[in-house]
Amino acid sequence: ILNVEQSPQSLHVQEGDSTNFTCSFPSSNFYALHWYRWETAKSPEALFVMTLNGDEKKKGRISATLNTKEGYSYLYIKGSQPEDSATYLCASMEYGNKLVFGAGTILRVKS
Amino acid sequence: DTAVSQTPKYLVTQMGNDKSIKCEQNLGHDTMYWYKQDSKKFLKIMFSYNNKELIINETVPNRFSPKSPDKAHLNLHINSLELGDSAVYFCASSQSTLRNTEAFFGQGTRLTVV
Repeated sequence: ILNVEQSPQSLHVQEGDSTNFTCSFPSSNFYALHWYRWETAKSPEALFVMTLNGDEKKKGRISATLNTKEGYSYLYIKGSQPEDSATYLCASMEYGNKLVFGAGTILRVKS
Repeated sequence: DTAVSQTPKYLVTQMGNDKSIKCEQNLGHDTMYWYKQDSKKFLKIMFSYNNKELIINETVPNRFSPKSPDKAHLNLHINSLELGDSAVYFCASSQSTLRNTEAFFGQGTRLTVV
């Protein structure tokens, strides 16, 4: 079983701040890296699925990069808004089509 | 329309009972999963079915038995419930491999064993 680690564990920022989180994963036998956004009392929702080294993906103010050689991914949020408050999960896909999740980064954006 | 729906949302039961959690997806996906959110809040895979066939069976006590009557449904039956089974259980689905596509999750079922 892979070990996926996320940092920081939690983050408090002011509205308008830009922020980023890290996800690290074993670089050997890499298949794919997923990012999910999880609001309280809701289901985790996919943000990105990334497979290629150097990949960069963007969805509105949120973007992610992937480095498969060194085993890390960054998630960036530009101009944070209170509605961005959520837990952000990353997961590495393991052989056998299963996701191994990190513990998540809890983001709180104060207005 | 909820894409992946689980019932019930909350389940409180006594030790030793048998209970089931139902999951249905209306996305036409081939693969369905059960994840458990453990005490440290990690989501951990329990089972995966592809077209009603069991693909993944992690080290889960055999008191847990998934059943897939068709590819849109994956139910989780738990026998002889123990206190340690208390957790939030999430159902998910995906269109084939997670290498190219994301998983869609249900809202979770909070199981409390007393």
